Amino acid sequence: EVQLVQSGAEVKKPGESLRISCKGSGYNFISKWISWVRQKPGKGLEWMGRIDPSDSYIKYSPSFQGHVTISADKSIGAAYLQWSSLKASDTAMYYCARLDFWSGYYYFDYWGQGTLVTVSS
Amino acid sequence: QSVLTQPPSASGTPGQRVTISCSGSSSNIGSNTVNWYQQLPGTAPKLLIYYNYRRPSGVPDRFSGSKSGTSASLAISGLQSEDEADYYCAAWDDSLNGRWVFGGGTKLTVL
Repeated sequence: EVQLVQSGAEVKKPGESLRISCKGSGYNFISKWISWVRQKPGKGLEWMGRIDPSDSYIKYSPSFQGHVTISADKSIGAAYLQWSSLKASDTAMYYCARLDFWSGYYYFDYWGQGTLVTVSS
Repeated sequence: QSVLTQPPSASGTPGQRVTISCSGSSSNIGSNTVNWYQQLPGTAPKLLIYYNYRRPSGVPDRFSGSKSGTSASLAISGLQSEDEADYYCAAWDDSLNGRWVFGGGTKLTVL
């Protein structure tokens, strides 16, 4: 069974750094790309970027480039999302999602349970 | 402001058929496929439809998708109370060097 298990909720202060994780199981981790998706409270979904765990090639959304860092450790089957200096506006639920494809077109087929990040002084 | 446009709300009574629209442009829906996600309250999104109309195993055939030009639709027939959720459309967008874009979401209420 394919599973993406994310790290637990975090409460941080503005200016602090943070890294959250997403661990895949039940499939060959390096065979599928992983994306990160943000959902602010009561709002919709926003794509942040994706990583190919086989070679760590990363594509960022223009909206998030320079604000976050995506990485992966294929030896342990995990992807990461990190901030060097959090802001209150980073308060949101963050999901990782696996990308699969059919007939050349991609879609998010499995999602993690989400990690709630709260940034408050 | 989302790149893909969905109605903020939709409703129906049990057994009814409801449709949710998703409007885009030539750089996203017009040139790529559309996927639909269901988000039940307090849970992660779940894949409902991919490649415009294909259903993953386990998704009831009450759910169907279609696409025409730069618009897509999700139809739910035989509406059930457990269908009450937020629904999102998504597509790859070829502009700005490529990115995934979502609709703003449609909250479906089963009356």
